[in-house]
Amino acid sequence: AAGVIQSPRHLIKEKRETATLKCYPIPRHDTVYWYQQGPGQDPQFLISFYEKMQSDKGSIPDRFSAQQFSDYHSELNMSSLELGDSALYFCASSSSRTGGADTQYFGPGTRLTVL
Amino acid sequence: AQSVTQLGSHVSVSEGALVLLRCNYSSSVPPYLFWYVQYPNQGLQLLLKYTSAATLVKGINGFEAEFKKSETSFHLTKPSAHMSDAAEYFCAVNIRDDKIIFGKGTRLHILP
Repeated sequence: AAGVIQSPRHLIKEKRETATLKCYPIPRHDTVYWYQQGPGQDPQFLISFYEKMQSDKGSIPDRFSAQQFSDYHSELNMSSLELGDSALYFCASSSSRTGGADTQYFGPGTRLTVL
Repeated sequence: AQSVTQLGSHVSVSEGALVLLRCNYSSSVPPYLFWYVQYPNQGLQLLLKYTSAATLVKGINGFEAEFKKSETSFHLTKPSAHMSDAAEYFCAVNIRDDKIIFGKGTRLHILP
């Protein structure tokens, strides 16, 4: 079965650079979520989109922005990168927005390293 | 606000022994509860989920969890541990909202 695809899988950037992470949800899934997992930490919710509209926002820095496109893929744009942004970034998708019962399927993550 | 507490950041069990990973939640409304497993350098895989149907939920790889409202608990169990069960396990809650709130995780070690 098709899973959530994230690219790139690994990314190395310098401080103050920008990065763009991409997420391709499972086919027919209309909701995308972004999470950040720091080293040894639990995943923290960043932002979510339903039908190309932002549906919820968590602890996402102002330096980050995201959007969902007409084909439902999503991109997380990160600017002025800081050392503390080094983390594993997960994208998850689900099939509808019916109050939490729908399972979020996670991608393999993008490991961002900021030097 | 909802939250999840996992008791024990590290749990060690012998191969073949019972696995018990503890999770307590806090929520003002009936929650949806999940257990996810994360193998080293990999993504999060759903083990099982509770969505207000049966209180005993069976998942993949022989795991199951029981929702106990009176104890606000959702402990994960497996009768017999296998070496391949060694991983990080996250309990998570979703209160009819978009985002999942994860616990801090429990690293399960399997002793030969």
